[in-house]
Amino acid sequence: DGGITQSPKYLFRKEGQNVTLSCEQNLNHDAMYWYRQDPGQGLRLIYYSQIVNDFQKGDIAEGYSVSREKKESFPLTVTSAQKNPTAFYLCASSVGGNQPQHFGDGTRLSIL
Amino acid sequence: AQSVTQPDIHITVSEGASLELRCNYSYGATPYLFWYVQSPGQGLQLLLKYFSGDTLVQGIKGFEAEFKRSQSSFNLRKPSVHWSDAAEYFCAVGETYKYIFGTGTRLKVLA
Repeated sequence: DGGITQSPKYLFRKEGQNVTLSCEQNLNHDAMYWYRQDPGQGLRLIYYSQIVNDFQKGDIAEGYSVSREKKESFPLTVTSAQKNPTAFYLCASSVGGNQPQHFGDGTRLSIL
Repeated sequence: AQSVTQPDIHITVSEGASLELRCNYSYGATPYLFWYVQSPGQGLQLLLKYFSGDTLVQGIKGFEAEFKRSQSSFNLRKPSVHWSDAAEYFCAVGETYKYIFGTGTRLKVLA
């Protein structure tokens, strides 16, 4: 079945450490997205990519970085510059920019 | 500024009762409109979408939503709620890649 796979499901980060969240899709979608979800705040867009080798900052990109070297993969790195990284991170993809987004099951990141 | 408001943080209904979840938006033009559902610890699943045309749209799991341009609203409805509908519901609006999500409404269903 086609879908979006996020791994790991739970991730722990030490202070000053960078961590990378994986997102893979086999839907053949061109666009991919990363969101951060905090209780009571809905979803906020971190980065999005319209096509391979291209990505744009969303509303809260500071302290995060991404790459899009392959169509099916869009990893997110949470850097040590992100001072409040504890959150639920959701990856999504869509056929194009004006189409519904399909979501993975998320990665919960916590600080040790 | 563009925004989405879901006025109800929590809603509790009895199983079999009808349901209406409210969504109001502020946007320069008529945006694309979506409703998603999220079970605890999982991702979001699309319930329905509105792009243009008939203002009453049907979705999965027996849900429907009505777009009212004059009220800038896109409320979600279900005639008879099932216990399995307990979840968090998000309204989203936007155009071309960047969507704005509401803060969600958590639905509790009483047996």
